[in-house]
Amino acid sequence: GAVVSQHPSWVICKSGTSVKIECRSLDFQATTMFWYRQFPKQSLMLMATSNEGSKATYEQGVEKDKFLINHASLTLSTLTVTSAHPEDSSFYICSAVAGGSYNEQFFGPGTRLTVL
Amino acid sequence: QKEVEQDPGPLSVPEGAIVSLNCTYSNSAFQYFMWYRQYSRKGPELLMYTYSSGNKEDGRFTAQVDKSSKYISLFIRDSQPSDSATYLCAMSPSGSARQLTFGSGTQLTVLP
Repeated sequence: GAVVSQHPSWVICKSGTSVKIECRSLDFQATTMFWYRQFPKQSLMLMATSNEGSKATYEQGVEKDKFLINHASLTLSTLTVTSAHPEDSSFYICSAVAGGSYNEQFFGPGTRLTVL
Repeated sequence: QKEVEQDPGPLSVPEGAIVSLNCTYSNSAFQYFMWYRQYSRKGPELLMYTYSSGNKEDGRFTAQVDKSSKYISLFIRDSQPSDSATYLCAMSPSGSARQLTFGSGTQLTVLP
């Protein structure tokens, strides 16, 4: 199956700093990538949809200036959490979809962010 | 009311048991139904994918959809300790993977 990687797998940062998380599709070109966050024992909450070469579409309630998404190539999307605060601590997961009418979302392994 | 409801568990069963995991939903537009398995600290992986009502079997896993009741199930036969994970149901109104709504997940532990 298709492989999606995320880097880093975990990160601890101080409040007020910015953190960048990378999502890469390793063996296919991803026309669309999604970013989710997941709190313990809760479901995946879609944050934004990212299409290569265009601006991301954010879900209602997600601050686009705080969660910057860049999908610069067909294999890489980045999520930057700007001026992180403790309430931003969460598990961030990306997924990627290849071209075509229906395709499975292939999920990355997730990045655990802890903001002190 | 959430669009998709799923009992979070936790659910513990002995090895070899038959496991039944369920989701209910309120949006009658959902046509495509999926089950994902998520191991601790990992991303979800697709287990089963079904369209409309009916059953689908894949090895020890059977997915069942009852659209009239807005109820879907995943059955695991001869459960193994390696099946211990969180199981998420997901649904889409279209065939597009771009429109998924997830349940909250059920945490399953299979005891050896």
